[in-house]
Amino acid sequence: GDSVTQMEGPVTLSEEAFLTINCTYTATGYPSLFWYVQYPGEGLQLLLKATKADDKGSNKGFEATYRKETTSFHLEKGSVQVSDSAVYFCALESYNTDKLIFGTGTRLQVFP
Amino acid sequence: DGGITQSPKYLFRKEGQNVTLSCEQNLNHDAMYWYRQDPGQGLRLIYYSQIVNDFQKGDIAEGYSVSREKKESFPLTVTSAQKNPTAFYLCASSLGQGSNQPQHFGDGTRLSIL
Repeated sequence: GDSVTQMEGPVTLSEEAFLTINCTYTATGYPSLFWYVQYPGEGLQLLLKATKADDKGSNKGFEATYRKETTSFHLEKGSVQVSDSAVYFCALESYNTDKLIFGTGTRLQVFP
Repeated sequence: DGGITQSPKYLFRKEGQNVTLSCEQNLNHDAMYWYRQDPGQGLRLIYYSQIVNDFQKGDIAEGYSVSREKKESFPLTVTSAQKNPTAFYLCASSLGQGSNQPQHFGDGTRLSIL
């Protein structure tokens, strides 16, 4: 079945460092891909999405590119802030359903 | 403002007791979902509903029940048959299949056993 694999955390960075959180997927057809962010004690918020190959999703300085050839959707940010500390989830939605399949999440900790 | 409201934020259950978690949305979304989140794990789908008066089991439906009598509401009951109910429960909604629109999430309910 469809699945999502994320790098394990925590990822610990100093403020202004470059961030990469790896995400790869297995799916039939052409899924849509998402990154969600969860701040402590809260629900998930959509961070960005991409619906077809080579699409780049971006929001709040974060970017991810839908790479069909490597089945990847890695999350990047050029300069992280303390306020970016949260858990980040990669997810896919199969092309013929509206059910989301989530990775296990990656905790990001940014220190001043 | 449109959104999803989950209540209560914290809930405690005694052994052998059923408890119901509320989820209300005013986004006019057709589809609604319940997920369970355990520490260090991703979200797992419990139940989902694509239209009023219809719902389907997700990956971990045992010990849970739902109803969808109104478009805006999708309550989840954690029954006494669920032997390990302690978790963070998240409700979500979306425009539904084929809309190509993302799911929107509530702020969650944390359920603990007394």
